[in-house]
Amino acid sequence: DSGVTQTPKHLITATGQRVTLRCSPRSGDLSVYWYQQSLDQGLQFLIHYYNGEERAKGNILERFSAQQFPDLHSELNLSSLELGDSALYFCASSVEGTSKTQYFGPGTRLLVL
Amino acid sequence: QQQVKQSPQSLIVQKGGISIINCAYENTAFDYFPWYQQFPGKGPALLIAIRPDVSEKKEGRFTISFNKSAKQFSLHIMDSQPGDSATYFCAAFGAIKAAGNKLTFGGGTRVLVKP
Repeated sequence: DSGVTQTPKHLITATGQRVTLRCSPRSGDLSVYWYQQSLDQGLQFLIHYYNGEERAKGNILERFSAQQFPDLHSELNLSSLELGDSALYFCASSVEGTSKTQYFGPGTRLLVL
Repeated sequence: QQQVKQSPQSLIVQKGGISIINCAYENTAFDYFPWYQQFPGKGPALLIAIRPDVSEKKEGRFTISFNKSAKQFSLHIMDSQPGDSATYFCAAFGAIKAAGNKLTFGGGTRVLVKP
């Protein structure tokens, strides 16, 4: 158990809908990273927050957004969902802003029908 | 420049055998190379990592070999066990802007160890 929690574990929704994925980092970790894992794209970095501020953006679609709250938990919002958004979404946390040692949560499996 | 290429995509090895997974990168700004192990239904977990000033690092049955001039690194799993059956990801990280200040993952290798 990495200490990173993610909810929900599974999510089934329809195209065009909006969903919110939640992540709580390990106690004491200030950074949260979001990744998308799909069969054909592997693990893709989406976005990184450090202590409430956005630090880096990866291949994140404009339909997706994230934020990190004062209690350091983070939410990833996915809107206008398409079939191709079906994937596993992981968050990871680390202590510092440039820490290479990241601890991954168990993921949220999103299925868009 | 940000890609990390991993091979093979899948691997079957007998119990007690050696599993070898290879990765190659282009961006010389990367300065940290971790390997992650992922079991079905779980998130990736850090297995072992190496910095480019070291040519080899061993932790138990897991060894990373690093060839800086060739920009390649590999994971060797010695005496492979059925419990090692998982997907393995190599990754590269660089804190400076040229490396993106993020983990860049290879495509993954699914390892199956037959008893």
